Amino acid sequence: AQKVTQAQTEISVVEKEDVTLDCVYETRDTTYYLFWYKQPPSGELVFLIRRNSFDEQNEISGRYSWNFQKSTSSFNFTITASQVVDSAVYFCALSEALSGGSYIPTFGRGTSLIVHP
Amino acid sequence: DTGVSQNPRHKITKRGQNVTFRCDPISEHNRLYWYRQTLGQGPEFLTYFQNEAQLEKSRLLSDRFSAERPKGSFSTLEIQRTEQGDSAMYLCASSYEGSASGNTIYFGEGSWLTVV
Repeated sequence: AQKVTQAQTEISVVEKEDVTLDCVYETRDTTYYLFWYKQPPSGELVFLIRRNSFDEQNEISGRYSWNFQKSTSSFNFTITASQVVDSAVYFCALSEALSGGSYIPTFGRGTSLIVHP
Repeated sequence: DTGVSQNPRHKITKRGQNVTFRCDPISEHNRLYWYRQTLGQGPEFLTYFQNEAQLEKSRLLSDRFSAERPKGSFSTLEIQRTEQGDSAMYLCASSYEGSASGNTIYFGEGSWLTVV
């Protein structure tokens, strides 16, 4: 079973539209971390945000905002007033403690966002 | 801070040949990770090091794969007797255990491998 599910394979919007990327995760741990990364066509994964399981406060950073809801095991990402430069593949990731105590991120399959001018 | 550096960025090799990728992590990062990513998929964990010790290995890391981090700084990932199924992007990442953001890993640009 997928630990991290990003059900939206591809989303296409027109510039200035708002768009929400969904992420649903599965874990039995009480301590875990959630991440979002952006992968532009160049290939490098760019870190966007990290949340720990004890902090459900939503966060806003410029046009980006994140909604963390433990009750629904979701960590959704909204881009307001999208721009062409937002076009990329976005990955959600879950970090749980492995048997040795290390936290290793497990990634979803990603959502490809295409913003048209 | 120069970021995670990987080379070569692209490698085309014939099936059966050996290839080696190098990763230089962010300075003073004590953890180093290798992931593999195929088209349309998310990165999949292969292995990680804390300093020079290899602490975790995924089942994806077959015996044809070997990773080292001899002095706790740069790392190499070698694939022996390459197969077409090895074609993928190999991503290196690093983090600093002990900081407030210790669980955040930062990626390099990746090394693309094409096996023909």
